[in-house]
Amino acid sequence: QVQLVQSGAEVKKPGASVKVSCKASGYTFTGYYIHWVQQAPGQGLEWMGWINPNSGGTTYAQKFQGRVTLTRDTSISTAYMELRGLRSDDTAVYYCARLVYFGPGTDVFDIWGQGTVVTISS
Amino acid sequence: SSELTQDPTVSVALGQTVRITCQGDSLRNYYASWYQQKPGQAPVLVIYGKNNRPSGIPDRFSGSSSGNTASLTITGAQAEDEADYYCNSRDSSGNHRYVFGTGTKVTVL
Repeated sequence: QVQLVQSGAEVKKPGASVKVSCKASGYTFTGYYIHWVQQAPGQGLEWMGWINPNSGGTTYAQKFQGRVTLTRDTSISTAYMELRGLRSDDTAVYYCARLVYFGPGTDVFDIWGQGTVVTISS
Repeated sequence: SSELTQDPTVSVALGQTVRITCQGDSLRNYYASWYQQKPGQAPVLVIYGKNNRPSGIPDRFSGSSSGNTASLTITGAQAEDEADYYCNSRDSSGNHRYVFGTGTKVTVL
């Protein structure tokens, strides 16, 4: 079935980097953009950015610009999110999600990964 | 950048109807999609476009839109509908960025 499976929980020290993976299966990986979403404890969803798995093109939210890099490896149908310069407020669950276009003005995240917990602690 | 504003909490009696709203400038140009999130789980798409439900979503969920406001309605709320709900759309900046609403916690009494 169509699914996105993310890598496991991470504990990092302040100032370090983390790289989270998102493996796609059940569909053509290069056919759909992958987006990343941050959710801090007890908080709402915050959109981080997307990658076009076909071209490798990316767009990032201003909040994360300069600290986040989205990449992909088409040979293994996997997208990656790397966040650098980690600080305590980066402690959060990070989700990847597939974007589907259903028509003009209708962009939808139809499949989500299970989430990866990233904890920043000294 | 755009913002999408939702009421933080709403409550509904079991079997009654509740409407959740989402306001933002981007909704004048883009449809909202709606996501249900239960504790410890990933969000799930419940409504998208003009008023479309993915397979497996009960027909008690419906959507509508007018001007800068999108709405999600649950008609005949069930205990299992208690969750956080988020709207989402493209950012109105035209830079192919996206924004989530602030979220609404729905409590079924």
